[in-house]
Formats: sequence, C-alpha cells, structure tokens
Amino acid sequence: DAGITQSPRHKVTETGTPVTLRCHQTENHRYMYWYRQDPGHGLRLIHYSYGVKDTDKGEVSDGYSVSRSKTEDFLLTLESATSSQTSVYFCAISGAGELFFGEGSRLTVL
Amino acid sequence: DQQVKQNSPSLSVQEGRISILNCDYTNSMFDYFLWYKKYPAEGPTFLISISSIKDKNEDGRFTVFLNKSAKHLSLHIVPSQPGDSAVYFCAGLGSGAGSYQLTFGKGTKLSVIP
Repeated sequence: DAGITQSPRHKVTETGTPVTLRCHQTENHRYMYWYRQDPGHGLRLIHYSYGVKDTDKGEVSDGYSVSRSKTEDFLLTLESATSSQTSVYFCAISGAGELFFGEGSRLTVL
Repeated sequence: DQQVKQNSPSLSVQEGRISILNCDYTNSMFDYFLWYKKYPAEGPTFLISISSIKDKNEDGRFTVFLNKSAKHLSLHIVPSQPGDSAVYFCAGLGSGAGSYQLTFGKGTKLSVIP
C-alpha cells in the first residue's frame, strides 16, 4: 500500500470557519492531488502539485487554497468554509500515471 | 462539460455472470484510461488500465476494451463475485502543464447478487 496519510479523517465545523486538511506521503512522489467526492459528481480535482511550491488549480478550485512546502506534505485550506464544501476529500499521489489514494477526510460544514 | 461519462449509475448482476461497465469520453488527448474500484469509507484503488494505443488489456477476471473510434471503453468482470460489489470509476489520464491529471467519470455502483 502506498504510504499516504490524511488528517483529520473526520471533521465537523461551522460555516465561516477556516479548515485545513493535511496529506502526508512517505513515497517521495512528485505529484500530489486533492479530490472531492460527492454523490452524482464522482471525483473532481480541486488542486494539484507537481513539486515543492509548485501547485495549480483543478476543476473545482474556487474556495480552496493549497500549499506544499515539503515533498511529503500537501495541505488543503478552506479559508471560510461553506455548506457546499461538505464532502469527502481524497488526497492522491503519483510517481507517473497511476494515482494512489488516501483513505479520505470527511468534512461536514454546518 | 463532462470529459468522461459513465451513464449507468448502477448495475446489478448475478454471481458467476459477466459484469460489463461502460464509459464514454470526449477528450481525444487522453493517453491512458484507468479503472478504479471504491468500497464505502475507503479510498479508490487502482484496478486496471489501458493505453490509448491498445484495444484490450486483461488481468485475471478483469478485461478492459477500448474502441477509440467510438470513444468508448468497457470493463468486463468474469465471473462476477460478491466481493466485486463496489463503485467503479472510469478515468482518463492526460499530461499537460508538466503534470499527470486523472479526469473521472461519476461512477457506476455494481452489486453482485449471490
């Protein structure tokens, strides 16, 4: 199994509060990704990173920011959480091609 | 604008029979196509892939067929087993801007009935 750890695994927060999700890898892979999974939408790419301090937007990036200061860590931040950001968030890593996913972080915004 | 479409949200199959999951795509620039399997409360796991220059790839009970002219691919599972019950995601892989990005379909929930 690919060494990917997401934290927290579950979080309940209130509208307007900031939230940060962390993805940690032990595989030294270059590429890291944040996806969200919602019923009827499948998996949608939020942001991705192709190296330390190198990030880019995905399909549904509005309301999210990311940072990657070390190869092993990729942070997803919701500056001001909204109810529409209630979702399951998956981090993924890739050396070349195939993606390996973490176990997910379930976020509920009340 | 969906680049990868899985038009069947669900599929039920008897144990031992063949399961066929379908996927259509619109982006001709995909280099690879991948299938992922997802159980509840777990992350998706890679199942099988196919290069855009191939028309078939087989791995045990799983075979993926690619029809480029129709922009269609399918995953065949033979024989189907109850443990195959999961959500299956089709994804297209393209390279652009120096990264590898997967574009997923919405998924098909497969139920294999004992």
